[in-house]
Amino acid sequence: LAKTTQPISMDSYEGQEVNITCSHNNIATNDYITWYQQFPSQGPRFIIQGYKTKVTNEVASLFIPADRKSSTLSLPRVSLSDTAVYYCLVGLNTGGFKTIFGAGTRLFVKA
Amino acid sequence: EPEVTQTPSHQVTQMGQEVILRCVPISNHLYFYWYRQILGQKVEFLVSFYNNEISEKSEIFDDQFSVERPDGSNFTLKIRSTKLEDSAMYFCASGRDKPYEQYFGPGTRLTVT
Repeated sequence: LAKTTQPISMDSYEGQEVNITCSHNNIATNDYITWYQQFPSQGPRFIIQGYKTKVTNEVASLFIPADRKSSTLSLPRVSLSDTAVYYCLVGLNTGGFKTIFGAGTRLFVKA
Repeated sequence: EPEVTQTPSHQVTQMGQEVILRCVPISNHLYFYWYRQILGQKVEFLVSFYNNEISEKSEIFDDQFSVERPDGSNFTLKIRSTKLEDSAMYFCASGRDKPYEQYFGPGTRLTVT
């Protein structure tokens, strides 16, 4: 599993776009990039997954440059309810399925 | 929308007792997981289960832990002899066809006294 590095915390204001970048310099050819969100006392919630370029769903966008050594989760127009911890995971979608969560990025959205 | 469910929501037990935490994964999912999260700390992987067997386990998942899928719907985590340090939130998760796209349950808070 590739090691990931994310900022420990970020602050934003309601209505702003938030971009959280994750570094994964030793990503392997077959690794996918997955982002989860976790609110206090709840289980992580799957947000988005991608392999390369850009992926968008109803919640977020994921930008992956050509070298795939980093990825950026983009949350458009955040609200107070987006205050949570965001985790970047990198690994194979096959194999033993050992899923390692790092410390994540604590996003705090202010009014 | 289908959800992973877990019971009980909170379990209090005495040190040395056995506990069984129960999970009902989403019905057409193939991959099953248990995690734990000690208050204020990271989510820690315990075990993954696929095709009726453990596919991967962490160093935490020692002989005191076991998992079962006794029927087509339930997925259980047993801790044989609980320790104080087992106090944590335990999350079950399941995935359909992509192991890293997992759907988590609400968790069981285990308190060992």
